[in-house]
Amino acid sequence: QKEVEQNSGPLSVPEGAIASLNCTYSDRGSQSFFWYRQYSGKSPELIMSIYSNGDKEDGRFTAQLNKASQYVSLLIRDSQPSDSATYLCAVNVIGSSNTGKLIFGQGTTLQVKP
Amino acid sequence: EAQVTQNPRYLITVTGKKLTVTCSQNMNHEYMSWYRQDPGLGLRQIYYSMNVEVTDKGDVPEGYKVSRKEKRNFPLILESPSPNQTSLYFCASSLRASGANVLTFGAGSRLTVL
Repeated sequence: QKEVEQNSGPLSVPEGAIASLNCTYSDRGSQSFFWYRQYSGKSPELIMSIYSNGDKEDGRFTAQLNKASQYVSLLIRDSQPSDSATYLCAVNVIGSSNTGKLIFGQGTTLQVKP
Repeated sequence: EAQVTQNPRYLITVTGKKLTVTCSQNMNHEYMSWYRQDPGLGLRQIYYSMNVEVTDKGDVPEGYKVSRKEKRNFPLILESPSPNQTSLYFCASSLRASGANVLTFGAGSRLTVL
């Protein structure tokens, strides 16, 4: 089983709709979770971080975390064509020396159609 | 401006010709890391460094070397490049290695080995 799994997509939604991106992870001890956005040919940029169960909202973005189910999601409300990108889920796995290692999923490609 | 700078951005080389990709950050970050990104495989960690003179292997270290003689610099060395090292490379840094591990990425270096 991969440590961080995402559906590679593409996920296609019409402009103005809600896009829902999902991610599961295998390490129950993980404490920090991140969503990065990567436009084609560009570097990943952090858009959301979440550390405790529940929802965290930032503008049109909402991150949801359920540690019991080992599941983290990203909702994008009122999707815009400029949201078209690959979204990478990243999970911080703490090793025995208390150092963190960020494990990335393969990413989900989102296409927002005008 | 706080940033991670990689050079070169693009490079075409031939098998066996040693090359170095430089990485520098101006944020006084302790942690630095190199990733490669390949289609269908996502971001994979090559090497990381938790501080000056402290480096360790990531998931795909074969064929690469690194050094961390200064806090700001973390060069990636390919002693004898091979075609399977053709990839998009990202350097990234974060303030600390433990806990919440928010990474700042460089712009990427696209390497082609013929």
